[in-house]
Amino acid sequence: EPEVTQTPSHQVTQMGQEVILRCVPISNHLYFYWYRQILGQKVEFLVSFYNNEISEKSEIFDDQFSVERPDGSNFTLKIRSTKLEDSAMYFCASSEGGGTEAFFGQGTRLTVV
Amino acid sequence: GNSVTQMEGPVTLSEEAFLTINCTYTATGYPSLFWYVQYPGEGLQLLLKATKADDKGSNKGFEATYRKETTSFHLEKGSVQVSDSAVYFCALVDAYSGAGSYQLTFGKGTKLSVIP
Repeated sequence: EPEVTQTPSHQVTQMGQEVILRCVPISNHLYFYWYRQILGQKVEFLVSFYNNEISEKSEIFDDQFSVERPDGSNFTLKIRSTKLEDSAMYFCASSEGGGTEAFFGQGTRLTVV
Repeated sequence: GNSVTQMEGPVTLSEEAFLTINCTYTATGYPSLFWYVQYPGEGLQLLLKATKADDKGSNKGFEATYRKETTSFHLEKGSVQVSDSAVYFCALVDAYSGAGSYQLTFGKGTKLSVIP
């Protein structure tokens, strides 16, 4: 069964460092998303991506965040200068169409120290 | 804006008990509704969905009916198992409103623990 894969599963980084979280969406999906879940809290939308550009972003997705689809398979989230409050589980998701069910990866747990 | 409200957890049930997790929503348009499940240490998995009023989503013994009149999408299972212990998230996507959006709006999640 096709699945969304994310790497790494866990990343520890020092405050102020840049991190890149990687995702391989399901191959025939056209819409890609990043969500995050701070420990014990709700899952929050960060950004959606379609046709090689950002289609929506939340207030959380400020200038320190960026996304890229560098090739035909990968979808990355970059955090330029990490802060302690960026510590969270980051989920990548993809969907075949806009508004259809999204399939999530296993998540990357980011710990900023 | 859109929002999803779930019953507060945690919920602890004995095996074979009946489960209900309440979920209500507000949306500007006509949303599609979902239940996602997160097993310990894992990511989010789609459990079931419904896209229009009176639709019933079902999977693995779980059911939820899209009730437009009460803006609800309560999750039910007749007989829970220990393996159902997880966090359950109600969510909506409101793609067909005037300001259509493809982002999922999640509830806070309800942790279910089933004891033998």
